[in-house]
Amino acid sequence: DAGVIQSPRHEVTEMGQEVTLRCKPISGHNSLFWYRQTMMRGLELLIYFNNNVPIDDSGMPEDRFSAKMPNASFSTLKIQPSEPRDSAVYFCASSRGITGNQPQHFGDGTRLSIL
Amino acid sequence: GESVGLHLPTLSVQEGDNSIINCAYSNSASDYFIWYKQESGKGPQFIIDIRSNMDKRQGQRVTVLLNKTVKHLSLQIAATQPGDSAVYFCAEKERTGGYNKLIFGAGTRLAVHP
Repeated sequence: DAGVIQSPRHEVTEMGQEVTLRCKPISGHNSLFWYRQTMMRGLELLIYFNNNVPIDDSGMPEDRFSAKMPNASFSTLKIQPSEPRDSAVYFCASSRGITGNQPQHFGDGTRLSIL
Repeated sequence: GESVGLHLPTLSVQEGDNSIINCAYSNSASDYFIWYKQESGKGPQFIIDIRSNMDKRQGQRVTVLLNKTVKHLSLQIAATQPGDSAVYFCAEKERTGGYNKLIFGAGTRLAVHP
């Protein structure tokens, strides 16, 4: 079975450029999560969706970050304009149900480097 | 605020030994916990979960123990193999504003030596 699919796997770009990260959740999962992982801060939840609706975006660092989920099989995380401090690994995860008693399944992430 | 933390940042074991990775949590109301394994260059991989109405749950070579009295969670790996080398995270479910999310600990690196 296909897991969570993220693209691109690696992205290197110059500061000021727009960056778009993509995620395809596991089919049948109705919750989707975006995380950022750094050595200093560990794994941080940025935003999550339930049934394509943003539920909690309190982890989004600032207005430069935005996320969308136009349908059940696709989500994007956009950074505009990007800054060097945005360099991190960004993970997307999905889960089934809304009670929270279901494991989240992660993609292999996008390693983002902003020069 | 409440948080999940790990006692040991690095654990070194000999191949074939049993490993125990510990995790302390502070929210006594938490009712669901998960262990993840993260290998280099990959995303966290679900290992095992446990609900608060249980004290122990076993999987293939892994056992999770939950001690609600002292708010402690552990992951036991039997007959540790080189492929078990990774960073292990515990996570607890937090309910905020009517919705659920996972709070992750800092992680413990497990190094398996031949």
